Amino acid sequence: EPEVTQTPSHQVTQMGQEVILRCVPISNHLYFYWYRQILGQKVEFLVSFYNNEISEKSEIFDDQFSVERPDGSNFTLKIRSTKLEDSAMYFCASSDSWGTRGYEQYFGPGTRLTVT
Amino acid sequence: GEDVEQSLFLSVREGDSSVINCTYTDSSSTYLYWYKQEPGAGLQLLTYIFSNMDMKQDQRLTVLLNKKDKHLSLRIADTQTGDSAIYFCVEGYTGFQKLVFGTGTRLLVSP
Repeated sequence: EPEVTQTPSHQVTQMGQEVILRCVPISNHLYFYWYRQILGQKVEFLVSFYNNEISEKSEIFDDQFSVERPDGSNFTLKIRSTKLEDSAMYFCASSDSWGTRGYEQYFGPGTRLTVT
Repeated sequence: GEDVEQSLFLSVREGDSSVINCTYTDSSSTYLYWYKQEPGAGLQLLTYIFSNMDMKQDQRLTVLLNKKDKHLSLRIADTQTGDSAIYFCVEGYTGFQKLVFGTGTRLLVSP
């Protein structure tokens, strides 16, 4: 069964450094998403991306964040200057326009980002 | 605003039924989902219900929706140890792509 993959599984970085989290969505999907989960807190929506542009973003997704689909397979989340509070599990997801099971988003296993 | 609340923990014995409850505040949601998260794995969609439905059955899973009370539940019949995971109640909205997650309920199934 097709799945969303994410690399790396764990990333440790120093405060102020830039990080890029990578995702390979399911190949025929058109919509891409990033969510994050700070330890002990809810999963929060960050951004959705369609047709090479951001279609929706949350208040969390400020100027420090950016997303890109650099080629036909990868979808990346960049954090320009990481802060301690960016430490979280970051989930990538993808969906087609309308699945048979409602508007299903398929999630990757996540990248744990630790900012020291 | 959007807020989805769940109890944090549920413990059952193998073979029993499990009922995981969820309350939400935003009545404009179009879909309500249950996602499952196992350790080291991504979030897996288990089932969903349209907001104009009251009940949906899917093999061992039964979803009940009470729109008046903004209450959603997931019943797992004949719970197995492999059902041990975190279960998230999630809202989705037509025209918007974000999902709004609940706090998650950790289900522990003991033999």
